[in-house]
Amino acid sequence: EVQLVASGGDLVKPGGSLRLSCAASGFTFSNAWISWVRQSPGKGLEWVGRIKSKSAGGTTDYAAPQTGSFTISRHDSKNTVYLYMNSLKTEDTAVYYCTTEGAAGIDYWGQGTLVTVSS
Amino acid sequence: QSALTQPRSVSGSPGQSVTISCTGTSSDVGGYNFVSWYHQHAGKAPKLIIYSVTKRPSGVPDRLSGSKSGNTASLTISGLRAEDEGDYHCCSYAGPQSFGYVFGTGTKVTVL
Repeated sequence: EVQLVASGGDLVKPGGSLRLSCAASGFTFSNAWISWVRQSPGKGLEWVGRIKSKSAGGTTDYAAPQTGSFTISRHDSKNTVYLYMNSLKTEDTAVYYCTTEGAAGIDYWGQGTLVTVSS
Repeated sequence: QSALTQPRSVSGSPGQSVTISCTGTSSDVGGYNFVSWYHQHAGKAPKLIIYSVTKRPSGVPDRLSGSKSGNTASLTISGLRAEDEGDYHCCSYAGPQSFGYVFGTGTKVTVL
C-alpha cells in the first residue's frame, strides 16, 4: 500500500523558513516523481513543484510564484523528499500535501501537514 | 497560470446524476489529454477518481465518468449516493510554461 507521510508543518513568522519532509513507503521510491501540492484554508489546490527520479535526471520544476524561494530535494536511501521554504509570506499558509506523480499525472496523496505563516 | 473554473457547488437527490464542469484554455485542458479529477472529504486528502480525461483507477465505480470537449472537461456522477458528498477538484497538465499542473477552483457536491 502506498503511504506518504508529510511532517514538519508549524507556525512561522513572515520572512521565516521551514523544512517539510515526506516519508514514503509501499512503492519503489527511487523510481518515483514526487510533487508537492498545497491547499490554503477554504481554497482550492495549488501545485507547488516536483522532483523527478534520479533516472529521469533528478531535476526540479516549480510553479512560478515559488521559484526562487522554495527548493525540493530527495534522499532516496531514506525514502524521503524535502520541501525547503524560505522568505515565507502569510499567503503561504496552507496544508501541504506530498503526492506521487505517475505517467498520467498526480495519483497518490499523503495526509498533509499544516503550515501557518503569521506574526 | 490561472486556476481552472468549476462551479462552486452542485447538488442532487440520491439516484440522480450531476455533472461538474472544468473550464480552462487551449494551453491546459484543451491542449492535453491529461485531465484528472479528485474527490476530497472534509479534512481528508484528495483521492484520484479519474485520470487521462476518462480513465478510472481500480476500485472507482463506473458511476463516475469523465469527458472533455474543447477547453472544458466534465465529471458526471450517476446514481448519486451519500458517500459522493464532498469536494471535487479537476486538474490539468499545464504544458511547457511550467511543466506542472493547474487545478480547478473546486466544487462542493451535496446529496440532498
